[in-house]
Amino acid sequence: QVQLRESGPTLMKTLETLSLTCSVSGVSVRSGSYLWTWIRQHPGKGLEWLGHISHSGNTHYNPSLTGRLTISVDKSRNRFFLRMTSVTVADTAIYYCARGSWSFDFWGQGTLVSVSS
Amino acid sequence: QSALTQPASVSGSPGQSITISCTGSSSDFSTYNYLSWYQHQPGKAPKLLIYDVTNRPSGVSPRFSGSKSGNVASLTISALQAEDEAHYYCGSYTNTDTPWVFGGGTKLTVL
Repeated sequence: QVQLRESGPTLMKTLETLSLTCSVSGVSVRSGSYLWTWIRQHPGKGLEWLGHISHSGNTHYNPSLTGRLTISVDKSRNRFFLRMTSVTVADTAIYYCARGSWSFDFWGQGTLVSVSS
Repeated sequence: QSALTQPASVSGSPGQSITISCTGSSSDFSTYNYLSWYQHQPGKAPKLLIYDVTNRPSGVSPRFSGSKSGNVASLTISALQAEDEAHYYCGSYTNTDTPWVFGGGTKLTVL
């Protein structure tokens, strides 16, 4: 059974760097079929695609976050990461990791990250 | 502002059917059939209900069905049950520099 689980800080200050981990079980991140994806949801808002990384390490980021966002993978430990620099209050959101292709078939439960000034 | 447009809320009584719409543009599912629907209940992981406009993943109830006409996609839930109360999101691949976009979500209330 495929499972994803996010972990990381829940409270941050502005201008700090956010680092989140998505631990994957039931499938290998080495699989060539999937895009390992980060999605977030601002309080009371819809979903926002942040970016993804493929098994080969190719990444694609939301242009609105270009320069601030890095997604990487640790194949040996079957997990992938999100790193977002210079966070602001506007980055307060629930962050989800998901397995993607043309849709997102497995998601983590999400982790709430609150940024304060 | 979300790239795909959904109604903020819908409601229905148990046993009834409801339909949630998702309006896009020529850069997304009206051209590509990579439109999906997700159910999100509080404290749970979002769940894929429909992919590629009309397909249900294994294990998803046949009460959930998807369709598309032009730039409007629809999710229909038949024989409503109390457990269907949730937020529902549409999502689509696009040929823009943001390859995946979502709707703002629709809150379904089962009366």
